[in-house]
Amino acid sequence: GQQVMQIPQYQHVQEGEDFTTYCNSSTTLSNIQWYKQRPGGHPVFLIQLVKSGEVKKQKRLTFQFGEAKKNSSLHITATQTTDVGTYFCLCHRGSARQLTFGSGTQLTVLP
Amino acid sequence: KAGVTQTPRYLIKTRGQQVTLSCSPISGHRSVSWYQQTPGQGLQFLFEYFSETQRNKGNFPGRFSGRQFSNSRSEMNVSTLELGDSALYLCASSLGQGVNEQFFGPGTRLTVL
Repeated sequence: GQQVMQIPQYQHVQEGEDFTTYCNSSTTLSNIQWYKQRPGGHPVFLIQLVKSGEVKKQKRLTFQFGEAKKNSSLHITATQTTDVGTYFCLCHRGSARQLTFGSGTQLTVLP
Repeated sequence: KAGVTQTPRYLIKTRGQQVTLSCSPISGHRSVSWYQQTPGQGLQFLFEYFSETQRNKGNFPGRFSGRQFSNSRSEMNVSTLELGDSALYLCASSLGQGVNEQFFGPGTRLTVL
């Protein structure tokens, strides 16, 4: 079955530092989505990546999809306390019939 | 536009009982997916319904079942509850089937004693 590894599991950064989380699949993906879940909240959609090598930006957030469509990353520049939460990747394989969430990266931003 | 609603928000049951959770998607959304979230296993996909048909299923035992009604509302049922079923059950709706942005509801927190 599809294996998805997301690293790191936890990340503590000082406000203003950068942050990156990585999502790696054992199989080629049709697409990948990223979600953010604030403490006590529910996942909120951030972005969807479909094309090999795709890069998308949302203000301080940069999302990348690997050339082989097996890995992806989310990079936050100059973190703020509002970035606190857990970031999940959701991997779609085989015309979206197989859905697997990464284990999530819990980000803590220290003021 | 109202968001995804789930009822009840909290539920306490005992082992062996059954439970039914409800999800009302965003108006116009025809796809509803269910997820289980636990500290140990993280977010796991249960199933997806589209146009009243189950289109996709995760690796959960047959005790977990669901259905979707003609108005796209969905219910999830868990029979013969086990302690390990204690979790946050999240419902997400999207416009179409498969690869679309998913809008999550607040979840139902199920505790099995």
